[in-house]
Amino acid sequence: QSALTQPPSASGSPGQSVTIPCTGIGSDLGENLYVSWYQHHPGTAPKLIIYDITKRPSGVPGRFSGSKSGYTASLTVSALQPEDEADYYCCSQTVRQTWVFGGGTKLTVL
Amino acid sequence: QVTLRESSPALVKPTQTLTLTCTLSGFSITTSGMCVSWLRQPPGQALEWLARIDWDDDTYYNASLKTRLSISKDTSKNQVVLTMTDVDPVDTGTYYCARTRRLDGNWYLDVWGRGTLVTVSS
Repeated sequence: QSALTQPPSASGSPGQSVTIPCTGIGSDLGENLYVSWYQHHPGTAPKLIIYDITKRPSGVPGRFSGSKSGYTASLTVSALQPEDEADYYCCSQTVRQTWVFGGGTKLTVL
Repeated sequence: QVTLRESSPALVKPTQTLTLTCTLSGFSITTSGMCVSWLRQPPGQALEWLARIDWDDDTYYNASLKTRLSISKDTSKNQVVLTMTDVDPVDTGTYYCARTRRLDGNWYLDVWGRGTLVTVSS
């Protein structure tokens, strides 16, 4: 069982926006700000797309944005493109210097 | 360009010891602030963080697996090795290594390898 909860699937048409929530069980998300999101196309290396809740590493399109409210972090993908179809994972670092992940959300671009 | 490449036997028998190797390119594990973590993903399940080793040899482990894991580094080869003892079929999955470093003050897994699939079966 994952410490963080994500919906197993999400979908949207090209050009639309989709938001993927990530809920923390207990206080993993509530007590620290070390939230990140990863994009994973199966067979390739997972890619960091959001860190510190809202920040994007260099090279990540501005269509990807992050937010947090209470015990829920969210990833929003705006202006969906076909290449955004992938699995998305939220992640939180714990106070014990370990990491916990959500179960992953499969994003389908219709 | 920073890359990590995992390697391991594809098939391991129950009770054996699994050795996973992560070969680093584009950065050195001896550089201050550089760390490497190992993670895994059983089929259809969530990612699970396993262990981390730092440039200064500090190590961290998933508490639930600590007695079975050992992480080390070979600086001459710029590699990080994770051993897992007494494997079981539930240890089947894709194993990833990831560079771990501070971004704006906090630790993140910023570059990952493509993973290596390990099957535990007799």
